[in-house]
Amino acid sequence: GNSVTQMEGPVTLSEEAFLTINCTYTATGYPSLFWYVQYPGEGLQLLLKATKADDKGSNKGFEATYRKETTSFHLEKGSVQVSDSAVYFCALMRSYNTDKLIFGTGTRLQVFP
Amino acid sequence: DVKVTQSSRYLVKRTGEKVFLECVQDMDHENMFWYRQDPGLGLRLIYFSYDVKMKEKGDIPEGYSVSREKKERFSLILESASTNQTSMYLCASSRDSGYNEQFFGPGTRLTVL
Repeated sequence: GNSVTQMEGPVTLSEEAFLTINCTYTATGYPSLFWYVQYPGEGLQLLLKATKADDKGSNKGFEATYRKETTSFHLEKGSVQVSDSAVYFCALMRSYNTDKLIFGTGTRLQVFP
Repeated sequence: DVKVTQSSRYLVKRTGEKVFLECVQDMDHENMFWYRQDPGLGLRLIYFSYDVKMKEKGDIPEGYSVSREKKERFSLILESASTNQTSMYLCASSRDSGYNEQFFGPGTRLTVL
């Protein structure tokens, strides 16, 4: 079946460190891939997305590239800030006409000054 | 500014009570979703609706029902609350099909005693 696997957290970094959060997926067909972020006390919000192989999504300094050959969509940021502390969810959308998302378990990022 | 609101941030109920969780969106979105979020499990889809009075079961519909009488409002109903329904409940909405972003409410943390 379709599934998303994320690295377990928490990920603890110092400010300005490089961030990678791994995400791999299993899916039939050609899913779209998403990263959502949940700041403390809030709902999820879309961070970036990619709808086909080799697409790169980017937003707020975060990037992720849709790699079909490795079924991966790893999230990266060159220099994290304290304000990036949040839970990050990788997700896939199974098909064009359902809008249903399958989420990974989430990875908590803690950034210290 | 787009908005999804949920009726309560925190709710405490007793086993066997009937519980209503309300969600309202002001974006004229066709699709609405109810998820529950549990540590280590990520978000799991309970029910979704793609039009007024239309609903489909998600991955974990047991013990829940939904109602969508108006386009902007989507209610989640726990007919007889049980302790294993203690969780964070998140509502989301999106425009009609096509890999569209889901917008999330802030969540309702439900505790069933």
